[in-house]
Amino acid sequence: DIQMTQSPSSLSASVGDRVTITCRASQVISNSLAWYQQKPGKAPKLLLHAASILEYGVPSRFSGGGSGSDYTGTDYTLTISSLQPEDFATYYCQQYYSTPLLTFGGGTKVEIK
Amino acid sequence: EVQLVESGGGLVQRGGSLRLSCATSGFTFDNYAMHWVRQVPGKGLEWVSGIGWNSGRIGYADSVKGRFTISRDNAKHSLYLQMNSLRAEDTALYYCAKDFSPRYGYSGFDMWGQGTMVTVSS
Repeated sequence: DIQMTQSPSSLSASVGDRVTITCRASQVISNSLAWYQQKPGKAPKLLLHAASILEYGVPSRFSGGGSGSDYTGTDYTLTISSLQPEDFATYYCQQYYSTPLLTFGGGTKVEIK
Repeated sequence: EVQLVESGGGLVQRGGSLRLSCATSGFTFDNYAMHWVRQVPGKGLEWVSGIGWNSGRIGYADSVKGRFTISRDNAKHSLYLQMNSLRAEDTALYYCAKDFSPRYGYSGFDMWGQGTMVTVSS
């Protein structure tokens, strides 16, 4: 099974900060990666898929970095270019390369400094 | 408007069974794979099981394999999860989720229900 390791598990940041979250796959997943945002008491929300494709309606301050042009890397990033008050939440990565088995990362909680 | 409404959760003794249901509307149900994802309160997300649009592709997390069975009824636009031999560690909020890739896709989740809570007492 493919394991997904997110780092850090939590971070503190201020409004306006640039924030980057990393997700490392235990093997090549060829950009088959999604990112989700979850706020307390709510279901997760899909932010990006295919590592870097922004979902409709998601602000452009969110961006995703992939495994390079040859899809052979295993490290992926989610970047928030200028953190807004509504962005304080927990973020999860999820791989869909090894279907029908899907796996999430452990999550990164973004808190207010 | 897309809606996914889970039901069937509750309190059950260890070793017992429950059947979760997810009633959907607002999209062409038989065009998409569907999934169950669970979350222990205060913890992370765990994918539990998924089923392809025509029930042809089915997967289970190792933690539930052999105990849980996923199924769907395209005529009723509904998804199900039969949960047997329940353990304390199955206690969680169970979400029904729609796949974001149409037809042959089996990928991630673009629509979610609000979840149904399953509590297994020991």
